[in-house]
Amino acid sequence: DAGITQSPRHKVTETGTPVTLRCHQTENHRYMYWYRQDPGHGLRLIHYSYGVKDTDKGEVSDGYSVSRSKTEDFLLTLESATSSQTSVYFCAISELGRGDGYTFGSGTRLTVV
Amino acid sequence: AQSVTQLDSQVPVFEEAPVELRCNYSSSVSVYLFWYVQYPNQGLQLLLKYLSGSTLVKGINGFEAEFNKSQTSFHLRKPSVHISDTAEYFCAVSDKGTSGSRLTFGEGTQLTVNP
Repeated sequence: DAGITQSPRHKVTETGTPVTLRCHQTENHRYMYWYRQDPGHGLRLIHYSYGVKDTDKGEVSDGYSVSRSKTEDFLLTLESATSSQTSVYFCAISELGRGDGYTFGSGTRLTVV
Repeated sequence: AQSVTQLDSQVPVFEEAPVELRCNYSSSVSVYLFWYVQYPNQGLQLLLKYLSGSTLVKGINGFEAEFNKSQTSFHLRKPSVHISDTAEYFCAVSDKGTSGSRLTFGEGTQLTVNP
């Protein structure tokens, strides 16, 4: 979607290295989310943010941290990548946080070898 | 806490046939309900949503869904599918009363439309 971009689109990294994924929005939405998508699991929430410097954990937050120093950027960091973190990562934004649905980025395919 | 169950992981149909993708949810509070579609190698797009009012909701691309509170279901239907409808479909739910509440997704249903 034009208002939300994720970078990089693809990344291969080695086990034990730190990795940072970036989500950038131009919509000035308050809420931002990181999900991971795995076959048979749908999308699972990792972390979310409800404002600058305001973040909280989702259902699969172990091994991940986030930061939001500006409204437009939400960073997801894998502190020490493991093979179980091989996945497709989606960022989403929402203006109201409820009822209006989310706008999703195109995803980052991360492979940990 | 809410949960979503999509009853079919794969649904194969022939072109121009009708289709129904089934979704059941569980929640202790009132909810908003959503259907998203994901085409290959893309992000998710919102198909339709139920917030309140009429239980029959119409979305893009000729899809519609019906909210059934007594059966806690939100099934997605299309009377005649096209090859281009081949995609993965996700049902999602969020709490109605909480600002900033998060979407909980089902596991997804792969719809494959065959010629």
